Amino acid sequence: QLQLQESGPGLVKPSETLSLTCTVSGGSIRSSNHYWGWIRQPPGKGLEWIGSIYYSGSSYYNPSLISRVTISVDTAKNQFSLKLTSVTAADTAVFYCARHDQIENWFDPWGQGTLVTVSS
Amino acid sequence: DIQMTQSPSSVSASVGDRVTITCRASQGISSWLAWYQQKPGKAPKLLIYAASSLQSGVPSRFSGSESGTDFTLTVSSLQPEDFATYFCQQTKSFPLTFGGGTKVEV
Repeated sequence: QLQLQESGPGLVKPSETLSLTCTVSGGSIRSSNHYWGWIRQPPGKGLEWIGSIYYSGSSYYNPSLISRVTISVDTAKNQFSLKLTSVTAADTAVFYCARHDQIENWFDPWGQGTLVTVSS
Repeated sequence: DIQMTQSPSSVSASVGDRVTITCRASQGISSWLAWYQQKPGKAPKLLIYAASSLQSGVPSRFSGSESGTDFTLTVSSLQPEDFATYFCQQTKSFPLTFGGGTKVEV
């Protein structure tokens, strides 16, 4: 079945760029019915949608983060990636990637999540 | 942005109890709502979409309903594996937004 797996550094220094990759297995990222999204969850808090991308490269971002976020896709590797610039301690969170239904806008399945801590 | 307000933030329950969680949208979203279950240290799992449609594989003791801008997730008979945190998400428009969560605990 479809599986997603996040990868990337678990520790990022303040003011630097957070970079994560999500690898999709068990299915193709070139799905006409789905976006591929990133969601984050600060420790002990709720969920925040960061943005989503279609395999063609069309992307949608949360306006609260749009000035710092870039999501890209690599169809050859069946991966999509997240870059978040100028991070602060407030960006410390578990970052999840997930398949995003294009019509219904729900997320399923999700990756297991990866904790990224922003600290010097 | 559409704000999603969940209540209560936590609920104490026992196995076999009927549990109801509410989510209120700040504006009309029709049936554009999803519910997720999250267990400690795990990713959220989709339970219900379109307010009342059960995701494949989800037990039938879970159900969803709507009344205007109020949405309800009901667990008809709580099982030990249902102790978790539940989130709602509006799926009507970008930016997609989530409720603050409801923790169901013993």
